[in-house]
Amino acid sequence: AQKITQTQPGMFVQEKEAVTLDCTYDTSDQSYGLFWYKQPSSGEMIFLIYQGSYDEQNATEGRYSLNFQKARKSANLVISASQLGDSAMYFCAMREGPNTGGFKTIFGAGTRLFVKA
Amino acid sequence: GAVVSQHPSRVICKSGTSVKIECRSLDFQATTMFWYRQFPKQSLMLMATSNEGSKATYEQGVEKDKFLINHASLTLSTLTVTSAHPEDSSFYICSARVPTSGGGDTQYFGPGTRLTVL
Repeated sequence: AQKITQTQPGMFVQEKEAVTLDCTYDTSDQSYGLFWYKQPSSGEMIFLIYQGSYDEQNATEGRYSLNFQKARKSANLVISASQLGDSAMYFCAMREGPNTGGFKTIFGAGTRLFVKA
Repeated sequence: GAVVSQHPSRVICKSGTSVKIECRSLDFQATTMFWYRQFPKQSLMLMATSNEGSKATYEQGVEKDKFLINHASLTLSTLTVTSAHPEDSSFYICSARVPTSGGGDTQYFGPGTRLTVL
């Protein structure tokens, strides 16, 4: 069963506008972590933001914020004021606890974001 | 932040040869490292979890005799692709797990190794 679902293979956004990348997850664990990574064409994985399952407030890191809706099991990434350099592949990932996932991090299929000038 | 390096960054080899990829944590000790494989335009697929001083734990469908993992020290894990074939051509990425205060943890990723088997 797929545990991380990203339903948007590709997204377009106009420069300086905000964009939301969707992510839903499935776990029976009470303790888990949610991550977003950016992968530019160079291939490196760049950590963007982290949300713990027990964190009551949505995580924010600069222009990135994570819209965490625990009951819906969604962890959407919001990028505000998009820049041309934001064009890349974005992966949502989940790390389950030691009893369920052994601290492994699994990734969604990814969403390719294109920022238009 | 913590830095993870991989060597080589790119490798081209002939079919049937073995290739070793190194993953190093440069300024921290990593008791657990992970190896991922990424085919073009696809997501990262976890291959195995490497714990220092013990045998690696492989994901279902990953041949442990083909993908040999050695985690001999707290700063080095190696992945050896034995008898490589063209279908093994892929982007291999390692990551190191670092426990954080409060009981959490984070992962730092290496830059990846692009393997091409002719």
